[in-house]
Amino acid sequence: AQKVTQAQTEISVVEKEDVTLDCVYETRDTTYYLFWYKQPPSGELVFLIRRNSFDEQNEISGRYSWNFQKSTSSFNFTITASQVVDSAVYFCALSEGFYTGANSKLTFGKGITLSVRP
Amino acid sequence: GAGVSQTPSNKVTEKGKYVELRCDPISGHTALYWYRQSLGQGPEFLIYFQGTGAADDSGLPNDRFFAVRPEGSVSTLKIQRTERGDSAVYLCASSLSQGAGGYTFGSGTRLTVV
Repeated sequence: AQKVTQAQTEISVVEKEDVTLDCVYETRDTTYYLFWYKQPPSGELVFLIRRNSFDEQNEISGRYSWNFQKSTSSFNFTITASQVVDSAVYFCALSEGFYTGANSKLTFGKGITLSVRP
Repeated sequence: GAGVSQTPSNKVTEKGKYVELRCDPISGHTALYWYRQSLGQGPEFLIYFQGTGAADDSGLPNDRFFAVRPEGSVSTLKIQRTERGDSAVYLCASSLSQGAGGYTFGSGTRLTVV
Protein backbone atom coordinates (compact mmCIF):
# COMPACT_ATOMS: atom_id res chain seq x y z
CA ALA A 1 0.00 0.00 0.00
CA GLN A 2 1.10 3.54 -0.66
CA LYS A 3 1.85 5.90 2.17
CA VAL A 4 2.98 9.51 2.43
CA THR A 5 4.45 10.83 5.66
CA GLN A 6 4.81 14.50 6.45
CA ALA A 7 6.38 14.40 9.89
CA GLN A 8 6.24 18.15 10.41
CA THR A 9 2.78 19.36 11.35
CA GLU A 10 3.27 23.08 11.86
CA ILE A 11 6.11 25.41 10.94
CA SER A 12 6.32 29.08 11.78
CA VAL A 13 8.93 31.36 10.25
CA VAL A 14 9.58 35.04 9.94
CA GLU A 15 9.26 36.59 6.52
CA LYS A 16 12.37 36.23 4.32
CA GLU A 17 13.52 33.07 6.07
CA ASP A 18 14.03 29.93 4.00
CA VAL A 19 11.88 26.94 4.93
CA THR A 20 12.00 23.28 3.90
CA LEU A 21 8.99 21.00 4.03
CA ASP A 22 9.77 17.31 4.32
CA CYS A 23 8.01 14.41 2.61
CA VAL A 24 8.77 10.69 2.81
CA TYR A 25 6.81 8.16 0.80
CA GLU A 26 6.35 4.40 0.56
CA THR A 27 5.30 2.48 -2.50
CA ARG A 28 5.86 -0.93 -4.02
CA ASP A 29 5.45 0.49 -7.51
CA THR A 30 8.57 1.07 -9.56
CA THR A 31 6.92 3.86 -11.52
CA TYR A 32 4.99 6.61 -9.82
CA TYR A 33 4.42 10.36 -9.60
CA LEU A 34 4.99 12.70 -6.69
CA PHE A 35 3.19 15.98 -6.19
CA TRP A 36 3.15 19.03 -3.97
CA TYR A 37 -0.08 20.97 -3.46
CA LYS A 38 -0.75 24.18 -1.56
CA GLN A 39 -4.05 24.77 0.26
CA PRO A 40 -4.53 28.42 1.27
CA PRO A 41 -7.26 29.43 3.73
CA SER A 42 -9.74 29.63 0.85
CA GLY A 43 -9.59 25.82 0.75
CA GLU A 44 -8.80 25.18 -2.89
CA LEU A 45 -5.87 22.84 -3.57
CA VAL A 46 -3.34 24.51 -5.84
CA PHE A 47 -1.01 22.31 -7.89
CA LEU A 48 2.67 23.24 -7.45
CA ILE A 49 4.74 20.49 -9.03
CA ARG A 50 4.68 16.92 -10.34
CA ARG A 51 7.72 14.65 -10.61
CA ASN A 52 7.89 11.15 -12.08
CA SER A 53 9.96 8.41 -10.52
CA PHE A 54 12.44 8.39 -13.38
CA ASP A 55 13.31 12.05 -13.04
CA GLU A 56 15.49 12.78 -10.05
CA GLN A 57 16.69 16.08 -11.44
CA ASN A 58 16.01 18.72 -8.88
CA GLU A 59 14.36 21.90 -9.95
CA ILE A 60 14.21 25.53 -9.01
CA SER A 61 11.28 27.67 -9.99
CA GLY A 62 11.47 31.18 -8.67
CA ARG A 63 11.47 30.97 -4.89
CA TYR A 64 10.52 27.29 -4.93
CA SER A 65 12.85 24.33 -5.22
CA TRP A 66 12.40 20.58 -4.90
CA ASN A 67 14.77 17.83 -3.84
CA PHE A 68 13.76 14.35 -4.97
CA GLN A 69 15.92 11.49 -3.67
CA LYS A 70 14.73 8.04 -4.66
CA SER A 71 17.35 6.34 -2.50
CA THR A 72 15.77 7.77 0.64
CA SER A 73 12.19 7.96 -0.73
CA SER A 74 12.06 11.65 -0.02
CA PHE A 75 10.60 14.56 -1.97
CA ASN A 76 11.31 17.77 -0.03
CA PHE A 77 10.15 21.25 -0.92
CA THR A 78 11.96 24.49 -0.09
CA ILE A 79 10.66 28.04 -0.16
CA THR A 80 13.41 30.64 -0.31
CA ALA A 81 12.84 34.09 1.17
CA SER A 82 9.37 33.21 2.44
CA GLN A 83 6.53 35.71 2.22
CA VAL A 84 3.34 36.13 4.21
CA VAL A 85 1.35 34.96 1.17
CA ASP A 86 3.10 31.59 1.42
CA SER A 87 1.10 30.86 4.58
CA ALA A 88 -0.97 27.78 3.79
CA VAL A 89 -1.17 24.04 4.31
CA TYR A 90 1.18 22.13 2.03
CA PHE A 91 0.46 18.58 0.97
CA CYS A 92 2.75 16.01 -0.55
CA ALA A 93 1.01 13.33 -2.62
CA LEU A 94 1.84 10.12 -4.47
CA SER A 95 0.15 8.38 -7.38
CA GLU A 96 0.85 4.94 -8.73
CA GLY A 97 1.53 3.99 -12.30
CA PHE A 98 3.72 5.84 -14.74
CA TYR A 99 1.64 5.86 -17.89
CA THR A 100 -1.56 6.57 -16.05
CA GLY A 101 0.04 8.78 -13.43
CA ALA A 102 -1.99 11.78 -14.41
CA ASN A 103 -5.19 9.87 -13.83
CA SER A 104 -4.49 7.62 -10.90
CA LYS A 105 -5.75 8.30 -7.44
CA LEU A 106 -3.55 10.37 -5.17
CA THR A 107 -2.45 9.37 -1.71
CA PHE A 108 -1.91 12.49 0.37
CA GLY A 109 0.10 13.15 3.48
CA LYS A 110 -1.53 14.89 6.43
CA GLY A 111 -0.16 18.25 5.42
CA ILE A 112 2.13 20.85 6.98
CA THR A 113 0.72 24.16 8.17
CA LEU A 114 3.16 26.92 7.30
CA SER A 115 2.78 30.30 8.95
CA VAL A 116 4.93 33.15 7.74
CA ARG A 117 4.98 36.12 10.12
CA PRO A 118 5.75 39.63 8.94
CA GLY B 1 -15.92 26.98 -17.17
CA ALA B 2 -12.48 28.17 -16.27
CA GLY B 3 -12.16 25.99 -13.22
CA VAL B 4 -13.79 23.11 -11.36
CA SER B 5 -17.04 24.27 -9.84
CA GLN B 6 -18.62 22.62 -6.81
CA THR B 7 -22.04 23.33 -5.41
CA PRO B 8 -23.17 24.00 -2.82
CA SER B 9 -20.15 25.46 -1.07
CA ASN B 10 -21.70 24.67 2.29
CA LYS B 11 -24.37 22.16 3.25
CA VAL B 12 -25.82 21.55 6.69
CA THR B 13 -28.10 18.55 7.01
CA GLU B 14 -29.69 16.52 9.75
CA LYS B 15 -28.52 13.04 10.60
CA GLY B 16 -30.34 10.49 8.51
CA LYS B 17 -31.09 12.80 5.60
CA TYR B 18 -30.03 12.36 1.96
CA VAL B 19 -27.66 14.84 0.30
CA GLU B 20 -26.33 15.44 -3.19
CA LEU B 21 -23.10 17.27 -3.95
CA ARG B 22 -22.42 18.50 -7.45
CA CYS B 23 -19.18 18.86 -9.39
CA ASP B 24 -18.81 20.64 -12.74
CA PRO B 25 -15.34 19.84 -14.14
CA ILE B 26 -13.24 21.80 -16.57
CA SER B 27 -14.65 21.49 -20.06
CA GLY B 28 -12.91 18.72 -21.96
CA HIS B 29 -11.50 16.97 -18.89
CA THR B 30 -12.48 13.33 -19.17
CA ALA B 31 -11.17 12.24 -15.77
CA LEU B 32 -13.02 13.27 -12.61
CA TYR B 33 -12.22 12.46 -8.98
CA TRP B 34 -13.93 12.82 -5.64
CA TYR B 35 -11.95 13.16 -2.42
CA ARG B 36 -12.99 13.70 1.18
CA GLN B 37 -10.98 15.85 3.56
CA SER B 38 -11.60 15.68 7.28
CA LEU B 39 -10.39 18.42 9.61
CA GLY B 40 -6.62 18.38 9.97
CA GLN B 41 -6.15 15.59 7.46
CA GLY B 42 -5.11 15.25 3.85
CA PRO B 43 -7.71 14.49 1.20
CA GLU B 44 -8.72 10.83 0.90
CA PHE B 45 -9.70 9.28 -2.40
CA LEU B 46 -13.32 8.23 -2.89
CA ILE B 47 -13.97 7.52 -6.57
CA TYR B 48 -12.57 8.15 -10.04
CA PHE B 49 -14.49 8.46 -13.31
CA GLN B 50 -13.07 8.12 -16.78
CA GLY B 51 -15.83 9.42 -19.01
CA THR B 52 -19.18 8.16 -17.77
CA GLY B 53 -17.95 5.07 -15.97
CA ALA B 54 -16.49 4.69 -12.52
CA ALA B 55 -12.99 3.36 -13.15
CA ASP B 56 -12.16 3.01 -9.47
CA ASP B 57 -14.62 3.28 -6.58
CA SER B 58 -12.44 1.57 -4.01
CA GLY B 59 -12.41 4.61 -1.74
CA LEU B 60 -16.15 4.81 -1.12
CA PRO B 61 -16.50 4.03 2.59
CA ASN B 62 -19.76 2.07 2.40
CA ASP B 63 -22.91 1.59 0.35
CA ARG B 64 -24.43 4.83 1.61
CA PHE B 65 -22.12 6.64 -0.78
CA PHE B 66 -22.74 6.63 -4.51
CA ALA B 67 -21.61 8.82 -7.41
CA VAL B 68 -22.74 9.23 -11.01
CA ARG B 69 -21.54 11.01 -14.10
CA PRO B 70 -24.23 10.20 -16.67
CA GLU B 71 -23.03 12.37 -19.56
CA GLY B 72 -19.32 12.35 -18.86
CA SER B 73 -19.17 15.89 -17.54
CA VAL B 74 -21.06 16.91 -14.39
CA SER B 75 -20.86 14.46 -11.51
CA THR B 76 -23.04 14.08 -8.43
CA LEU B 77 -21.92 12.49 -5.18
CA LYS B 78 -24.89 11.10 -3.27
CA ILE B 79 -24.91 10.23 0.41
CA GLN B 80 -27.84 8.38 1.93
CA ARG B 81 -28.78 8.26 5.62
CA THR B 82 -26.08 10.74 6.54
CA GLU B 83 -24.16 10.28 9.77
CA ARG B 84 -22.24 12.82 11.84
CA GLY B 85 -19.01 11.11 10.78
CA ASP B 86 -19.72 12.09 7.18
CA SER B 87 -19.01 15.72 8.08
CA ALA B 88 -16.03 16.83 5.99
CA VAL B 89 -15.05 18.86 2.96
CA TYR B 90 -15.77 16.97 -0.25
CA LEU B 91 -13.36 17.90 -3.01
CA CYS B 92 -13.74 17.29 -6.70
CA ALA B 93 -10.89 17.34 -9.22
CA SER B 94 -10.61 16.88 -12.95
CA SER B 95 -7.80 16.23 -15.41
CA LEU B 96 -7.20 15.57 -19.06
CA SER B 97 -7.08 11.92 -20.01
CA GLN B 98 -3.53 12.36 -21.13
CA GLY B 99 -1.86 15.36 -19.61
CA ALA B 100 1.39 16.57 -18.20
CA GLY B 101 -0.12 18.73 -15.52
CA GLY B 102 -1.67 17.90 -12.24
CA TYR B 103 -5.28 17.65 -11.36
CA THR B 104 -7.36 20.83 -10.96
CA PHE B 105 -9.34 20.85 -7.73
CA GLY B 106 -12.51 22.70 -6.92
CA SER B 107 -13.01 24.68 -3.72
CA GLY B 108 -15.00 21.88 -2.17
CA THR B 109 -18.34 21.43 -0.45
CA ARG B 110 -18.26 21.62 3.33
CA LEU B 111 -20.81 19.11 4.61
CA THR B 112 -21.94 19.33 8.21
CA VAL B 113 -24.24 16.65 9.59
CA VAL B 114 -25.95 17.71 12.81
